[in-house]
Amino acid sequence: SAVISQKPSRDICQRGTSLTIQCQVDSQVTMMFWYRQQPGQSLTLIATANQGSEATYESGFVIDKFPISRPNLTFSTLTVSNMSPEDSSIYLCSVPLRASTDTQYFGPGTRLTVL
Amino acid sequence: SQQGEEDPQALSIQEGENATMNCSYKTSINNLQWYRQNSGRGLVHLILIRSNEREKHSGRLRVTLDTSKKSSSLLITASRAADTASYFCATDAGNQFYFGTGTSLTVIP
Repeated sequence: SAVISQKPSRDICQRGTSLTIQCQVDSQVTMMFWYRQQPGQSLTLIATANQGSEATYESGFVIDKFPISRPNLTFSTLTVSNMSPEDSSIYLCSVPLRASTDTQYFGPGTRLTVL
Repeated sequence: SQQGEEDPQALSIQEGENATMNCSYKTSINNLQWYRQNSGRGLVHLILIRSNEREKHSGRLRVTLDTSKKSSSLLITASRAADTASYFCATDAGNQFYFGTGTSLTVIP
């Protein structure tokens, strides 16, 4: 199994500011995923972060709003830029269990509240 | 996006009863997974069923998959208060996962 940690676990931010969320994995993985879970909603995939290449964003998500870094095979960051109250969500990173991506392990999540 | 849909959205049962949740999806899949999420916590993987499997068991969990109907069901037998959580199905359509809207299960002691 993979152990995934996220920082911060929660934050309260002001409108217009940016927050960078860190995701650390205890093993090397090629693919990392970032999800958002808005209150009362299911998980929505934001982007796929592959080491050594640009992140791939899902429809409705853009790099200017959610820039992602993937400097190595164990670490990634997601920045939520120019925040508004609509960005209040739980943000989760996840990694495949194995190269076959049969299943995923999730980090504990970052609970973001934007005032 | 082929986000799945689950029903019911909410389910409340007495401890000891069985709970059944259903998931429908839209396109062909490699496998389907069920996750549990306790309030305020991350997702926990429960069980995976591949597209060529029809039924799978894990402890008190039983999952079925009908690819012709593009649907799956999760059965939790002899429910416990600790099973209270939201349950999500997720479909793997090749390197990406799409989650359903979830079923909120409450097990009353």
